[in-house]
Amino acid sequence: DVKVTQSSRYLVKRTGEKVFLECVQDMDHENMFWYRQDPGLGLRLIYFSYDVKMKEKGDIPEGYSVSREKKERFSLILESASTNQTSMYLCASSPLSLTDSYEQYFGPGTRLTVT
Amino acid sequence: DQQVKQNSPSLSVQEGRISILNCDYTNSMFDYFLWYKKYPAEGPTFLISISSIKDKNEDGRFTVFLNKSAKHLSLHIVPSQPGDSAVYFCAASDLNTDKLIFGTGTRLQVFP
Repeated sequence: DVKVTQSSRYLVKRTGEKVFLECVQDMDHENMFWYRQDPGLGLRLIYFSYDVKMKEKGDIPEGYSVSREKKERFSLILESASTNQTSMYLCASSPLSLTDSYEQYFGPGTRLTVT
Repeated sequence: DQQVKQNSPSLSVQEGRISILNCDYTNSMFDYFLWYKKYPAEGPTFLISISSIKDKNEDGRFTVFLNKSAKHLSLHIVPSQPGDSAVYFCAASDLNTDKLIFGTGTRLQVFP
């Protein structure tokens, strides 16, 4: 079974703090993704990576950065947390679509509250 | 601009009946569609998918129908069970990318 783990289930941070969200997958997947889920807005892509040290902006990258130093690990960084970044953050991984599968495997999510 | 739309934010169905969740898309380049199910405080889990070369895919109680001319897909759950109560997201992918575009979700409640 594919396993995607996220470093924290719940996190409370103060405005202006630097926040690191870590994600690890154990299936040797090339692709990794960071989403945020907000009521009425669905899942919105923040950043994704298709290889080590590679990254591409998603639909809402402002206020975020990412790091992928190893294939299995993809980190999301909030440089200076703000209250509008309070959300559920979901990490996902997938193999390359050359395998004819677009399925992404999700971690359990991190509920981040910024006060 | 929302490329994948789920216009019903919620749906309530009696146990044993059929649940029909709908999804519309605007991008004709989408060639693969997926449904995910999400329980509170958990990550989404894959449910069923369909390629654009098909119009139907079935897996147990779950069937997905694709109408390419109408740019519409639907998920049928028969019979519905209380454990099906969750938020359902449809997602689409186009050629040349590994990204998924998600809809806003439909909350399904199955009551006894």
